[in-house]
Amino acid sequence: EAGVAQSPRYKIIEKRQSVAFWCNPISGHATLYWYQQILGQGPKLLIQFQNNGVVDDSQLPKDRFSAERLKGVDSTLKIQPAKLEDSAVYLCASSFSGRSNTQYFGPGTRLTVL
Amino acid sequence: AQSVTQPDIHITVSEGASLELRCNYSYGATPYLFWYVQSPGQGLQLLLKYFSGDTLVQGIKGFEAEFKRSQSSFNLRKPSVHWSDAAEYFCAVELNYGGSQGNLIFGKGTKLSVKP
Repeated sequence: EAGVAQSPRYKIIEKRQSVAFWCNPISGHATLYWYQQILGQGPKLLIQFQNNGVVDDSQLPKDRFSAERLKGVDSTLKIQPAKLEDSAVYLCASSFSGRSNTQYFGPGTRLTVL
Repeated sequence: AQSVTQPDIHITVSEGASLELRCNYSYGATPYLFWYVQSPGQGLQLLLKYFSGDTLVQGIKGFEAEFKRSQSSFNLRKPSVHWSDAAEYFCAVELNYGGSQGNLIFGKGTKLSVKP
């Protein structure tokens, strides 16, 4: 069974530029999560989708971050414009459904903002 | 507010020695608790989880964890550490109310180094 796929694996940009990350969850998983992991910290949830609807985006900095999940499968996370403090690993995870279901994580995208 | 505390930032143990990683949580309801492992350049892999029932749970790779409600703890243990266990370990609690169902709150992690 294929795992959660993410691309790119690494991205270096300058501040004020824009960047997008892509995630393909495990087939059949209805719930998709985006986490931000800053160096030395645990992952922090940015947004949760159930199929193609947003369940929780309370911690998403909406002035610069946006995310969508078209057709309830793939998802993209965008940052525009990027700030230095956005340097982090962006992890995508999926689960069969939300509560009490194991979340499977992708390898992440490491973003460096210069 | 819900939180997870991992008091040890970095632990070094000798190969073959026993291991215990500490985790304390703050959560009003009955917690759903998880331990994940993250190897360099890899995503997080689930080691084990506790929802209810037996307070000693077994996981993959020979790990186990014990839920102690009175101490608000969920410590991870392994009787004999292998060099391949060197990684970062994260404890997490699942939010299971309202619209935040399934969301995980992670601790800051404990980095495990293994001496030959």
